[in-house]
Amino acid sequence: DAKTTQPNSMESNEEEPVHLPCNHSTISGTDYIHWYRQLPSQGPEYVIHGLTSNVNNRMASLAIAEDRKSSTLILHRATLRDAAVYYCILRDNFGNEKLTFGTGTRLTIIP
Amino acid sequence: SQTIHQWPATLVQPVGSPLSLECTVEGTSNPNLYWYRQAAGRGLQLLFYSIGIDQISSEVPQNLSASRPQDRQFILSSKKLLLSDSGFYLCAWSDTFRNTEAFFGQGTRLTVV
Repeated sequence: DAKTTQPNSMESNEEEPVHLPCNHSTISGTDYIHWYRQLPSQGPEYVIHGLTSNVNNRMASLAIAEDRKSSTLILHRATLRDAAVYYCILRDNFGNEKLTFGTGTRLTIIP
Repeated sequence: SQTIHQWPATLVQPVGSPLSLECTVEGTSNPNLYWYRQAAGRGLQLLFYSIGIDQISSEVPQNLSASRPQDRQFILSSKKLLLSDSGFYLCAWSDTFRNTEAFFGQGTRLTVV
């Protein structure tokens, strides 16, 4: 499996933008970049995914480097409810494979 | 719409007792199915995944087993629980052929005493 590397933890002030980085230097051409987040005592939930172009949805934006070896999840205006562990993972184009998570980034929001 | 059901939500079992956790998915066919375990304060550890009936892959050697008796049913079992089996168990599914998101159940918090 292609691996991802994320900082163990980050802090951000409430109502400020948050940029969560992810490195995936061994990404293959058919790997999609997916982000999930896990709130306390809950299962992970999907946030966003992309292949090459930057992506936006109602939850966040995903900025993908031109060489695809890194990406950044952007929360435009953090709220206390965004405090969670954020996971960056790679998935094969066809989706038919095991789904492994790293340790993620624990995001703390400071009121 | 698709839904995933996982039960029970919490479970306290004595050491050496058997375990059976069940997960079912509705509204889709031939899903990829996954079992994860999360120890307190730790990341998600993939235990088993299945791309079809009778096609189950084990990721980590342990005293747990998984079965898929029906297309949308995934069961995690143990004959004799260990203290180290305590944790938060999560079931998930994803579409087999499209690169879409995975959906997780609400989890079972297992405490082995």
